[in-house]
Amino acid sequence: AQTVTQSQPEMSVQEAETVTLSCTYDTSENNYYLFWYKQPPSRQMILVIRQEAYKQQNATENRFSVNFQKAAKSFSLKISDSQLGDTAMYFCAFGFSLIYNQGGKLIFGQGTELSVKP
Amino acid sequence: EPEVTQTPSHQVTQMGQEVILRCVPISNHLYFYWYRQILGQKVEFLVSFYNNEISEKSEIFDDQFSVERPDGSNFTLKIRSTKLEDSAMYFCASSPGTSGSFEQFFGPGTRLTVL
Repeated sequence: AQTVTQSQPEMSVQEAETVTLSCTYDTSENNYYLFWYKQPPSRQMILVIRQEAYKQQNATENRFSVNFQKAAKSFSLKISDSQLGDTAMYFCAFGFSLIYNQGGKLIFGQGTELSVKP
Repeated sequence: EPEVTQTPSHQVTQMGQEVILRCVPISNHLYFYWYRQILGQKVEFLVSFYNNEISEKSEIFDDQFSVERPDGSNFTLKIRSTKLEDSAMYFCASSPGTSGSFEQFFGPGTRLTVL
């Protein structure tokens, strides 16, 4: 069974600085997807970034980037130039489907509560 | 930009009552999901739905739960006899199911409070 672990329940960072959130996962599958979702106080789930396991290149979306280490089963999120609006709960998620590229459940980690301080 | 919508945003019900949570997935998406999040905990998968039938369900999704796509746009989650422990945020999600896209788009959630 797949599991996702986020070992940092809470983190804080000063505005404009960089922070890295950790995520590890366990799977025996070779083709899968990894995601980071942001959940602000409104509790809406917002996709931040995604990574396909078959791609070696780390995904980047503006100030957000990942460090994907497939052999180590690690998927960390780096937020550069942190902004007050980045304050939220961040969830790492693993997605896999028996049929490639078709619907499969997401398995979420426990979340990391990030506070960006002015 | 297309988005997943959910109604109501907040539902309060008495224990033992039936509730129906409604979702309108993105129109050209093929896969639909329900997740729940008990306050302060992680998001948990409940059920996935494709081609008018359940494709996968978790152990949480027992006989008290059912899903339906009654028409071409709505996707509903029914809880037959609510329990206190059903109090949670319920998220609907949908995904295209086409080549190159595994991303799931989430709705804003329905907060269910069982008294």
